[in-house]
Amino acid sequence: GESVGLHLPTLSVQEGDNSIINCAYSNSASDYFIWYKQESGKGPQFIIDIRSNMDKRQGQRVTVLLNKTVKHLSLQIAATQPGDSAVYFCAENIGAGNMLTFGGGTRLMVKP
Amino acid sequence: NAGVTQTPKFRVLKTGQSMTLLCAQDMNHEYMYWYRQDPGMGLRLIHYSVGEGTTAKGEVPDGYNVSRLKKQNFLLGLESAAPSQTSVYFCASSLDETSGSDTQYFGPGTRLTVL
Repeated sequence: GESVGLHLPTLSVQEGDNSIINCAYSNSASDYFIWYKQESGKGPQFIIDIRSNMDKRQGQRVTVLLNKTVKHLSLQIAATQPGDSAVYFCAENIGAGNMLTFGGGTRLMVKP
Repeated sequence: NAGVTQTPKFRVLKTGQSMTLLCAQDMNHEYMYWYRQDPGMGLRLIHYSVGEGTTAKGEVPDGYNVSRLKKQNFLLGLESAAPSQTSVYFCASSLDETSGSDTQYFGPGTRLTVL
């Protein structure tokens, strides 16, 4: 079936650099996408979301870009900090009940 | 405002035993969900509820039952636990009809081991 997936399982960046985490999706009918951050031993934490009628949305130090033509989603983190080290998941809304399908996750490691 | 809470945090069961996981939310959300997360993987939806008294199957419902007798609570039951159900279980809730927000918020998880 259609699903959400990620290109890179692990991303290692230097503190202060910008990070880009990518996600591919295949369900062209999806209209809502979310990025979650999960630290070790904790539940997923909402970071930012975007609807399909937008190409870009910015939050505090984070930006989500949506390219519907190639079905690609990315999360950009500016000035990455050690506290950003975690696993990041993209998820898409698949329909009734606001159900989400999650990708496999990318681990972000920030080197001091 | 505690958000989403889960009880217990950890549990060890023997094969064939039963147990119930409790999820509670104080955000007056309409929808609630139960997911499982296996090592190195994303979350998979077990069951969900779009309102008090309603439940529906998700992606991996076999071996689990749920109940939503009260709006703020969502129970996940394992009638006869199997080693394949060893996982971390996350509850989530969403849909604040007052604000219109449909973001899912997650609890801290329950780590279940079935021997």
